[in-house]
Amino acid sequence: GQQVMQIPQYQHVQEGEDFTTYCNSSTTLSNIQWYKQRPGGHPVFLIQLVKSGEVKKQKRLTFQFGEAKKNSSLHITATQTTDVGTYFCASYGGSQGNLIFGKGTKLSVKP
Amino acid sequence: DAGVIQSPRHEVTEMGQEVTLRCKPISGHDYLFWYRQTMMRGLELLIYFNNNVPIDDSGMPEDRFSAKMPNASFSTLKIQPSEPRDSAVYFCASSLGPGRSQPQHFGDGTRLSIL
Repeated sequence: GQQVMQIPQYQHVQEGEDFTTYCNSSTTLSNIQWYKQRPGGHPVFLIQLVKSGEVKKQKRLTFQFGEAKKNSSLHITATQTTDVGTYFCASYGGSQGNLIFGKGTKLSVKP
Repeated sequence: DAGVIQSPRHEVTEMGQEVTLRCKPISGHDYLFWYRQTMMRGLELLIYFNNNVPIDDSGMPEDRFSAKMPNASFSTLKIQPSEPRDSAVYFCASSLGPGRSQPQHFGDGTRLSIL
């Protein structure tokens, strides 16, 4: 079945450094969603990308969807301690309602 | 607006006992999902419903797990008998159909510990 592979699994950065997580699939994705889960919390929807080559920004966060719609990335500029958490990409599988999550990238930020 | 409501928030019980987790989705959402999250396996989809009907239960680990959705505002996930390896955080999520373009809204989860 469809899978989304996410790298890296962990990332430790100094506050102020940039951070990027990547999401890859062997099949073309209809869309890609990104979620953030704070420690001890639940996944929270950040954004959805649908179009080939689409780029969206949310303050210091930049989301990209690849031209072939097989990969996506989330880039955070100048990380802050509030960015700590696990970032998941997700995409809908063959079934209409089945959202498939990547394993996530756990970000820690050292002040 | 109220989000997805799960209960209990924490559950500690001995192996062999029956465990029932409860979920109230966001009003008007017609998709409901049950997930399990562990360090080793990440976020796993167990089962999901559309309009109260189970659509895909292929993620349910074994017959000890069962889920029901008797109406649009309530769902349960039951484990009987429970085992220590069932210890995990169980999330319920709901979304507005059609599912493909909608975000999922998660509850706070139930942290389950089986001793």
